[in-house]
Amino acid sequence: GIQVEQSPPDLILQEGANSTLRCNFSDSVNNLQWFHQNPWGQLINLFYIPSGTKQNGRLSATTVATERYSLLYISSSQTTDSGVYFCAPGGTGTASKLTFGTGTRLQVTL
Amino acid sequence: EAEVAQSPRYKITEKSQAVAFWCDPISGHATLYWYRQILGQGPELLVQFQDESVVDDSQLPKDRFSAERLKGVDSTLKIQPAELGDSAMYLCASSRADGYYGYTFGSGTRLTVV
Repeated sequence: GIQVEQSPPDLILQEGANSTLRCNFSDSVNNLQWFHQNPWGQLINLFYIPSGTKQNGRLSATTVATERYSLLYISSSQTTDSGVYFCAPGGTGTASKLTFGTGTRLQVTL
Repeated sequence: EAEVAQSPRYKITEKSQAVAFWCDPISGHATLYWYRQILGQGPELLVQFQDESVVDDSQLPKDRFSAERLKGVDSTLKIQPAELGDSAMYLCASSRADGYYGYTFGSGTRLTVV
C-alpha cells in the first residue's frame, strides 16, 4: 500500500505566525485530501487536491503529484488552528480508499 | 451542507459484550468506509463498501468484527465480543463512487471497553 510520511510531527507556533506542513507519499495517486482533526475527534476536510494549488482563506495547499508530495500552508495562525493535520492520498474508483499519515500536531499559543 | 450521520457519539462497554455502531452516508454517495483510529495514530481502513458490496475488508478482524450495508444506504459495524484493545474512535466516511471530490467524515463514535 501507499506509504505516507508527514513532517514535522509536532509544531508549536505563536499566534500570527506562518507554517508549512509537508506530506510525502510513495506511489502515484489520483486523490489527496488534507484534514484537520478537531479536539472532539471530527475530521474536517480542508482540501481535495490531487494536483495543483488551492486556497481557502488563510489556508492553501499544493500537490506536485509527479514528485509525490503535498504542502499545506497556514498563514497568520490562530489558536483555533490547533489540532492534528492529516494528509491522506488515495486512488479512484474501487481503489479510492485514503491512506492516512501519522499527522502533524499543531499548537498555536497566544 | 450534507453530512454523514453516526451514532452513538460515545459508547462505554464491558469486555466480552457486543457493541454496534451506525452510519448514514450522504445521499447519493455509493461508497462508504469504516475507519478505526487509535489514540495518537492516523485512521486505518476497516472496510469499504461500494453500494451493498464489500470492496475491501482486508484489515477487518473478522473473528469479532462484522459490517453490513444491506440496502446500499446506511451501514452497521458490530464488534462481538469487545476486547480492551478495541477502545478507539470509529469513523465513517462516504464518497462518490469514483472517489472524486473526496471523502466526508462523520463525527465518529468513541468506544471505551472496560
